[in-house]
Amino acid sequence: KNQVEQSPQSLIILEGKNCTLQCNYTVSPFSNLRWYKQDTGRGPVSLTIMTFSENTKSNGRYTATLDADTKQSSLHITASQLSDSASYICVVHAGNNRKLIWGLGTSLAVNP
Amino acid sequence: GAGVSQTPSNKVTEKGKYVELRCDPISGHTALYWYRQSLGQGPEFLIYFQGTGAADDSGLPNDRFFAVRPEGSVSTLKIQRTERGDSAVYLCASSPGVAGSTGELFFGEGSRLTVL
Repeated sequence: KNQVEQSPQSLIILEGKNCTLQCNYTVSPFSNLRWYKQDTGRGPVSLTIMTFSENTKSNGRYTATLDADTKQSSLHITASQLSDSASYICVVHAGNNRKLIWGLGTSLAVNP
Repeated sequence: GAGVSQTPSNKVTEKGKYVELRCDPISGHTALYWYRQSLGQGPEFLIYFQGTGAADDSGLPNDRFFAVRPEGSVSTLKIQRTERGDSAVYLCASSPGVAGSTGELFFGEGSRLTVL
């Protein structure tokens, strides 16, 4: 069964600190993996899209990694800001259809 | 337009009523998706359009839900005989090109539906 699991479910950190969010998937065949940021009451916004051959991809203070062998991805946030408070959702695109398999997200709160 | 536009942003209706939710995708985007998101959950796929045709409607929960995209641009999600369980945020996303590529999805802000 195609699944995407994220951990932790929620996380609280202090402003300026770094954090890493985890994503494990059992989607096959794999096409690409995406991280989205969703602010409360807003639509998701794409942070990164990674294909099979990409190990790491950065977008400003966000760095995503992908290990296609172990089927794991992480999202590292550097020097967190209050505006980073949001839900971060890992999404895997199965290559044999057009569906995206969504994780439940990690809810991040950055406190001053 | 500059982004994906969804209207209304909020809709409160009574059980049993008919509701239409509209999505105006980014100009030129051929792929359009509808998702439903309940509180604390990830988006749940409903239907995907490529151009005017529904390429995949396997996520529609039952025959009360229907969506159209007659001219390959604006799409309308229609819900008949609404039930309280239909209460959710309905998200629309568009993407350039054909799904199955690494095309980004651009989401609207959603339409929050509340069925009393």
